[in-house]
Amino acid sequence: AQSVTQLGSHVSVSEGALVLLRCNYSSSVPPYLFWYVQYPNQGLQLLLKYTSAATLVKGINGFEAEFKKSETSFHLTKPSAHMSDAAEYFCAVSGTVTGNQFYFGTGTSLTVIP
Amino acid sequence: NAGVTQTPKFRILKIGQSMTLQCTQDMNHNYMYWYRQDPGMGLKLIYYSVGAGITDKGEVPNGYNVSRSTTEDFPLRLELAAPSQTSVYFCASSRDREAFFGQGTRLTVV
Repeated sequence: AQSVTQLGSHVSVSEGALVLLRCNYSSSVPPYLFWYVQYPNQGLQLLLKYTSAATLVKGINGFEAEFKKSETSFHLTKPSAHMSDAAEYFCAVSGTVTGNQFYFGTGTSLTVIP
Repeated sequence: NAGVTQTPKFRILKIGQSMTLQCTQDMNHNYMYWYRQDPGMGLKLIYYSVGAGITDKGEVPNGYNVSRSTTEDFPLRLELAAPSQTSVYFCASSRDREAFFGQGTRLTVV
């Protein structure tokens, strides 16, 4: 079975500081990995996705993530946090075993302190 | 672009009542999904469909039913509402490994 684990349900950073949100996956075959963002009372929006091309993936709003097979990780980073980055972030996995289904982590709520 | 549209946005049901959550997409995607989101639990897959006429159970299908008569529509049916079904429901569609989500339906069962 495929799954993702997000470490830290709540993360607080100061405005301008580095954002690091952690995600580890469990998969018997190379998966597709995603980060989604959810603003209050909204649906989920794709930030970036890894589909077995480059291991460093750049997304929208200055976010990027690095696929590390040896660590089974796909951590999300942003060099400098903005107030507008405050939201819920979800890591998700999809793969050939499960077809085109997506399985989500439990989410990390990011707070940006002015 | 409308994308994925869900109706209603909010609904309060009494225990034992039934209702249908509507979902339609205008992107001609074959894959569609229903998720429920509960605090601290992330999104759990209820049902999914790989095309018109084909549906399958996800992680938490009990108490729900779906149908997929057209590519565009994927309604979710609750037959006998229970308090445990209080949640936010999201419909999504996908193509090329990218999922597009609706704005959600907040359902309360009292």
